[in-house]
Amino acid sequence: SQQGEEDPQALSIQEGENATMNCSYKTSINNLQWYRQNSGRGLVHLILIRSNEREKHSGRLRVTLDTSKKSSSLLITASRAADTASYFCATEASGTYKYIFGTGTRLKVLA
Amino acid sequence: EPEVTQTPSHQVTQMGQEVILRCVPISNHLYFYWYRQILGQKVEFLVSFYNNEISEKSEIFDDQFSVERPDGSNFTLKIRSTKLEDSAMYFCASNLPPSGEENEKLFFGSGTQLSVL
Repeated sequence: SQQGEEDPQALSIQEGENATMNCSYKTSINNLQWYRQNSGRGLVHLILIRSNEREKHSGRLRVTLDTSKKSSSLLITASRAADTASYFCATEASGTYKYIFGTGTRLKVLA
Repeated sequence: EPEVTQTPSHQVTQMGQEVILRCVPISNHLYFYWYRQILGQKVEFLVSFYNNEISEKSEIFDDQFSVERPDGSNFTLKIRSTKLEDSAMYFCASNLPPSGEENEKLFFGSGTQLSVL
């Protein structure tokens, strides 16, 4: 699999439900970041978790990191229609300035 | 809030022609990047640039591609002889040297949609 693969590829939920997206990667990392992309626009940074952290919260976002499994998850609680977007994880391999993005999860939140 | 700006937003060119995509990174940022995305799919790393030289580049970034920081504000991506498969959205990004979480955030421009005919 590619560095930074998300699953599911697409997710459709009702407003108010929680959305969980997963990311897997292959190499050692300094940190893992999650980004959001509205249709056809630039990516916007959401949250960063360092390799020595296991969980982090920011508002309705919760990120976990399991370096032994080389995986991360992004949980969006109480989703809103405005959360409809694609979500990407990005990893920076130790000692590089090369942020590799995954394949993304397309989230659709139905009102 | 400061932002990365890219021009043009759309570029149409004929196969074999040269194109230059332009970016103005955030003024105090020191690391610059180009990514591309084909049809809303995977965001692919092309190149990173620091201190007037390439730091990292991907396999995609072959001899047809070059980057330049011609002055103190612009950061350009040149494709010498475009191919049909170069059609994509090209994103520029920038950040600061890593000394704290905030500095490692990538700030992206809105992209240039390149169409090669």
